[in-house]
Amino acid sequence: NAGVTQTPKFRVLKTGQSMTLLCAQDMNHEYMYWYRQDPGMGLRLIHYSVGEGTTAKGEVPDGYNVSRLKKQNFLLGLESAAPSQTSVYFCASSTGVSGANVLTFGAGSRLTVL
Amino acid sequence: GQNIDQPTEMTATEGAIVQINCTYQTSGFNGLFWYQQHAGEAPTFLSYNVLDGLEEKGRFSSFLSRSKGYSYLLLKELQMKDSASYLCAVTDSNYQLIWGAGTKLIIKP
Repeated sequence: NAGVTQTPKFRVLKTGQSMTLLCAQDMNHEYMYWYRQDPGMGLRLIHYSVGEGTTAKGEVPDGYNVSRLKKQNFLLGLESAAPSQTSVYFCASSTGVSGANVLTFGAGSRLTVL
Repeated sequence: GQNIDQPTEMTATEGAIVQINCTYQTSGFNGLFWYQQHAGEAPTFLSYNVLDGLEEKGRFSSFLSRSKGYSYLLLKELQMKDSASYLCAVTDSNYQLIWGAGTKLIIKP
């Protein structure tokens, strides 16, 4: 049981390049999330999805796009990378929204934009 | 605004006890989580509190006081493998998770 798998684990981009991060989960979770984690800051929600075919903006959505064409996959796209998007990106999934909504995280994708 | 405060870093000795505090100011409250994150790895769930009081789970315990907007994570019989960051997160009235910046715990032999 793989849980949540993110690819790639590391990537270096030049300013203006585009890329897509892939997240896959095998737990049949309805909800999926993309977070970024920067030093000295809490996890910040970029976008999330409450089910196949749906997406919604989180706290810091600018410069990112997402798609959830299949329930098990959640893609995060950067159309024109900027140095401010250098960060560690985490995908997570959960069964649904509630107070006791435990998130299962992927191992993270470290992105550097030069 | 919504805010969660935790100490940035703490140091403790192997075999000892350490308490990591978390204070929060959020619009509503639907539960508080503690996650553990080893360097370079994903956060993993440790505990969840929604009612006041202490929840014990092996060497780890988590306490909540909703009236004070306060929680702590208590780690007993510290082991070197407990060296990690500990993240406090609160679910607000809209069921959005608000995250603290995390407390880096350093365990010394």
